Amino acid sequence: KAGVTQTPRYLIKTRGQQVTLSCSPISGHRSVSWYQQTPGQGLQFLFEYFSETQRNKGNFPGRFSGRQFSNSRSEMNVSTLELGDSALYLCASSFNEAGANTGELFFGEGSRLTVL
Amino acid sequence: DQQVKQNSPSLSVQEGRISILNCDYTNSMFDYFLWYKKYPAEGPTFLISISSIKDKNEDGRFTVFLNKSAKHLSLHIVPSQPGDSAVYFCAARDKAAGNKLTFGGGTRVLVKP
Repeated sequence: KAGVTQTPRYLIKTRGQQVTLSCSPISGHRSVSWYQQTPGQGLQFLFEYFSETQRNKGNFPGRFSGRQFSNSRSEMNVSTLELGDSALYLCASSFNEAGANTGELFFGEGSRLTVL
Repeated sequence: DQQVKQNSPSLSVQEGRISILNCDYTNSMFDYFLWYKKYPAEGPTFLISISSIKDKNEDGRFTVFLNKSAKHLSLHIVPSQPGDSAVYFCAARDKAAGNKLTFGGGTRVLVKP
C-alpha cells in the first residue's frame, strides 16, 4: 500500500511569493493534517481536513490556508511568503479523524520550503 | 505557550546502554500520548503510545512510562542500537480540542557503536 506522498519535495521561493504544496494520503484515509517543522520548534500543527471539511486549526496567520478534495488529496497554500516560513512542511493521514482511536498518524516525507 | 516540552534537545548514548527520553506537559486534558521517531529526509513514524489510564506500556526494546501527577512521560530504549539514532518526538492528544495532537520539540538521539 503506497504511503503518504508529498510534492514537491524541495522548493525555493522568494519573499512575497506564494506556494502551494500537495499531499496524497494513504488510499482509504480520509483525514489529512499539516504540520510545520522548524529547528527546535518541533511539529507545529497547521490544520486538519476530514471529508473535505477543515476540522481543526492551529495558531498560524491567515496566510496559511488549505483545502481537501473529494478524493482526500489535500493542498496547503502560503501566500506572501516570509523568511520565517522556511521549514519542512509535513502532511499526515489517518483513516478516521486525526487523533481518533489510538491517535496514530502516518506521515509523508515532507516538502522543504526555503524562502530567500 | 508550549504545552508539550522535551527539555533535552540531544542525547548521546553508547550502544547497548539505556536511552531515556523525557517529555513534560501542562494540559491535564491530554488523554493519550505517543512517541514518534524521525530519520533525516523521512517523515516521522509512530513508535509507541500510552493511554492516560495506564502508567506503563512496553513494546520490545521500547517502554513508555507515564506519571500523571507529575505530568511527565519518558521513553526508555533498552538496549540502544545504532539504528535508533534519530529524532524522537513526543505527542499528546487533547480530547477536549477535537483530538488535536500537540508535539514536543524533539530530542536528537545519537547511539555510538
